[in-house]
Amino acid sequence: LAKTTQPISMDSYEGQEVNITCSHNNIATNDYITWYQQFPSQGPRFIIQGYKTKVTNEVASLFIPADRKSSTLSLPRVSLSDTAVYYCLVGGYQKVTFGTGTKLQVIP
Amino acid sequence: SAVISQKPSRDICQRGTSLTIQCQVDSQVTMMFWYRQQPGQSLTLIATANQGSEATYESGFVIDKFPISRPNLTFSTLTVSNMSPEDSSIYLCSARLAGAPGELFFGEGSRLTVL
Repeated sequence: LAKTTQPISMDSYEGQEVNITCSHNNIATNDYITWYQQFPSQGPRFIIQGYKTKVTNEVASLFIPADRKSSTLSLPRVSLSDTAVYYCLVGGYQKVTFGTGTKLQVIP
Repeated sequence: SAVISQKPSRDICQRGTSLTIQCQVDSQVTMMFWYRQQPGQSLTLIATANQGSEATYESGFVIDKFPISRPNLTFSTLTVSNMSPEDSSIYLCSARLAGAPGELFFGEGSRLTVL
């Protein structure tokens, strides 16, 4: 299973764009990159998934360079409700393991 | 998508007793997993629940302590046996739908406190 590395914590002001980068140097050919969001006392929630290039949905964008050894989750114009822990996971159809995650604190 | 229901949502137990957590999914899923999350920490995979056969445990977790059942595609149980205060944690059930690589759905978790 590919190991992931991401910042432990980040602070951002409301209304700003937040970019969280995840390193996954030993990603396998058939691995996907998936990001989850977790609020206190809740289970993680799927945000976005990609394999290569750029993926965008209604809540976030995911940028993946050609070598796929890293990925960047982009949250546009964050609000206080985006304060949460964000996890980057790499894997395919089998089990997945969670890294440390990034605790994002949005400041008014 | 899938909705995962866990019971109980929380419980307080005495040392030496056992507790079984139930997980019900509203869709047929390919894989089910059990995770443990200590306060303020990331999730740790306990095991993969295999339908009709023994679960596959991760390093540091054993069947005698965490017996798991999965009698059908949508239901699984995790038992925490002979509990000690170190077992106090949140236990999360998750599942993956067929044809959805990497995307896991999670229950809200079962918060267990052992006195």
